[in-house]
Amino acid sequence: DQQVKQNSPSLSVQEGRISILNCDYTNSMFDYFLWYKKYPAEGPTFLISISSIKDKNEDGRFTVFLNKSAKHLSLHIVPSQPGDSAVYFCAASMDNYGQNFVFGPGTRLSVLP
Amino acid sequence: DSGVTQTPKHLITATGQRVTLRCSPRSGDLSVYWYQQSLDQGLQFLIQYYNGEERAKGNILERFSAQQFPDLHSELNLSSLELGDSALYFCASSVNPTGREQYFGPGTRLTVT
Repeated sequence: DQQVKQNSPSLSVQEGRISILNCDYTNSMFDYFLWYKKYPAEGPTFLISISSIKDKNEDGRFTVFLNKSAKHLSLHIVPSQPGDSAVYFCAASMDNYGQNFVFGPGTRLSVLP
Repeated sequence: DSGVTQTPKHLITATGQRVTLRCSPRSGDLSVYWYQQSLDQGLQFLIQYYNGEERAKGNILERFSAQQFPDLHSELNLSSLELGDSALYFCASSVNPTGREQYFGPGTRLTVT
C-alpha cells in the first residue's frame, strides 16, 4: 500500500516553460513534506520542504504547493532549465521529529532545450 | 558533493553471504539514516541513528542490522543475503534528529547473485 504516490513516472517539458510535478498521499497524519532531486549515480539532494501549517513555500525557481484537503502537493519549477532534468522524489513524514520519511516512487523530468 | 561518503560503491556477492556497508556522515552531523532503493521503487527508510543511539526503525528486515560508532560513522550489516536484497543502499545524515534536511551519500549498489 503506497502512502505516497507520484502517478507520473516521467514528464517532458520545454526549456523556459513551467514544470509541474505532482504527489498524492493517503495518510492525513502526514505533517511535513519534502522534495528531493536525484541525478544518475548520485544520492538524492534536498530541494524544498513544506509544513502542513502552510500551503505554499517558495525558494527561487522552486515552489511547493500543499492542498491538505485533497492530500496533494505539487512542485513547480519556473523557468525549467536543462540542468533540472533528474528524478524528483516527494517524501512525507507524520511525526514531529520527521525521522521516518515515506518516499514516493519518483518522477523523471526531462527538460528539452 | 554532499559531504557524506559511502563505501564501497559497488558490491557483488552470492546468496547466503554477509556484507557490511559503511557510511561517514557530514562533519558535524549527528544523525545517520539508511535507505534501500530497489529497482524502479522509491526510497525505503530502514533505520536512523542519532549520536550513537538507535532513533527510529522503518522497514528493516531482521537479517539486517546497523550501528553508529563513537566517531559517528555507521555500518549497515546485511546477512543471509537473498536475490531480492539487490538494491541501492543510501546513507544520509543530518545535524539534528528531525531529519528534515538530510544529505545523502552517493549510495552503494549491492548485487546478489
